[in-house]
Amino acid sequence: EVELVESGGGLVQPGGSLRLSCAASGFTFSSYRMHWVRQAPGKGLEWVSSITTSSTYIHYADSVKGRFTVSRDNPKNSLFLQMNRLRDEDTAVYYCVRDRIEIWPSGFDPWGQGTLVTVSS
Amino acid sequence: QSALTQPASVSGSPGQSITISCIGTSSDIGDYNYVSWYQEHPGKAPKLVIYDVSNRPSGISDRFSGSKSGNTASLTISGLQAEDEADYYCSSYTSSNTWVFGGGTKVTDL
Repeated sequence: EVELVESGGGLVQPGGSLRLSCAASGFTFSSYRMHWVRQAPGKGLEWVSSITTSSTYIHYADSVKGRFTVSRDNPKNSLFLQMNRLRDEDTAVYYCVRDRIEIWPSGFDPWGQGTLVTVSS
Repeated sequence: QSALTQPASVSGSPGQSITISCIGTSSDIGDYNYVSWYQEHPGKAPKLVIYDVSNRPSGISDRFSGSKSGNTASLTISGLQAEDEADYYCSSYTSSNTWVFGGGTKVTDL
């Protein structure tokens, strides 16, 4: 069964840092582009970042560029999101998401269960 | 990276058909056939219901269909059922090699 499990969320003060992890199983992790998508409380979905199979191409939403860094460890089937200089508006559930198929941007599937990040003093 | 435009809410009676629009630009929906739709029930992770404009993943009811014309994509749910009450989000790949979501549409059963 394909599964994505996020961890690392929690309460952090504005200006602080947090590192999210995503453990993948049930598929060949190294063959798929991966993403982070977030959802603020009561709000819509926002794409945050993507990373290709060999980490060659990495992209970020303007709202996190320069503060967040995505990375992956293919031998360990893991995806990471290092979040620095956190702001109140970064408070959200963060989802680890896989491209539906290899190579093409043909939808996000599956999704993890999400991990909540709360930025507050 | 402006969000795609969706109506905030759409409602319909059981058995009716409803359509949700998703308006983008020539840099996203208008330029690619990589439009997807997601269903989100409260407290659950989003679920892919349409990919590549009009294709259904395995296990998704054929009551769900998608289309695109120019910069606008649409999701139609036919034979509306109580279980279809949820939030729906459209998404598109963009010419900046990023992705963008719509603001979401709440579907309610009258």
